[in-house]
Amino acid sequence: ETGVTQTPRHLVMGMTNKKSLKCEQHLGHNAMYWYKQSAKKPLELMFVYNFKEQTENNSVPSRFSPECPNSSHLFLHLHTLQPEDSALYLCASSQDLAGRNLNNEQFFGPGTRLTVL
Amino acid sequence: GQQVMQIPQYQHVQEGEDFTTYCNSSTTLSNIQWYKQRPGGHPVFLIQLVKSGEVKKQKRLTFQFGEAKKNSSLHITATQTTDVGTYFCAGVEGDYGQNFVFGPGTRLSVLP
Repeated sequence: ETGVTQTPRHLVMGMTNKKSLKCEQHLGHNAMYWYKQSAKKPLELMFVYNFKEQTENNSVPSRFSPECPNSSHLFLHLHTLQPEDSALYLCASSQDLAGRNLNNEQFFGPGTRLTVL
Repeated sequence: GQQVMQIPQYQHVQEGEDFTTYCNSSTTLSNIQWYKQRPGGHPVFLIQLVKSGEVKKQKRLTFQFGEAKKNSSLHITATQTTDVGTYFCAGVEGDYGQNFVFGPGTRLSVLP
């Protein structure tokens, strides 16, 4: 247990579905991240939130929509995905952004294995 | 933009042999972290290096940060089957980088 939980752990959806991934951290961290991990691009940073404000959108298609209602919760809303979006989606948190605190290890959740049919 | 590369991509060793993975950045790093991901698991933090030329040890693992702060290495002495997994380095760029950029990882297999 890293203190970061993700639900669901597995998700199968059609290309016309709308679904959401949830991440919750119980560590009191200020920064939260979404990563996509696939065979082609391991650990690809998607979004970064610091104190609920989005600080990074790494050229992610608009069919992925993040939401951070507070510092403990992070969502990734999915709609009209493509089969190539099938991957492991990892959430992580750290005390602060990397550049501001040198002891900023990231704690990863177990991930959501997404399959788009 | 910043690019972080790792070599080798894959490494198969016999149990008891040593293993080294190298991480190289296209830009100078302010600090670098190493993570391990077991098969079917998620990345777990191993260590952070900050100073030029820094060397840190954790039991059989030795981590080194290059003098120019553009490269790093992880060396495992006398590998065990429990060392199996993918090892990622993650670097923060220069003075203004706010996020870690992960390398593609080195997948280690240890044959008993």
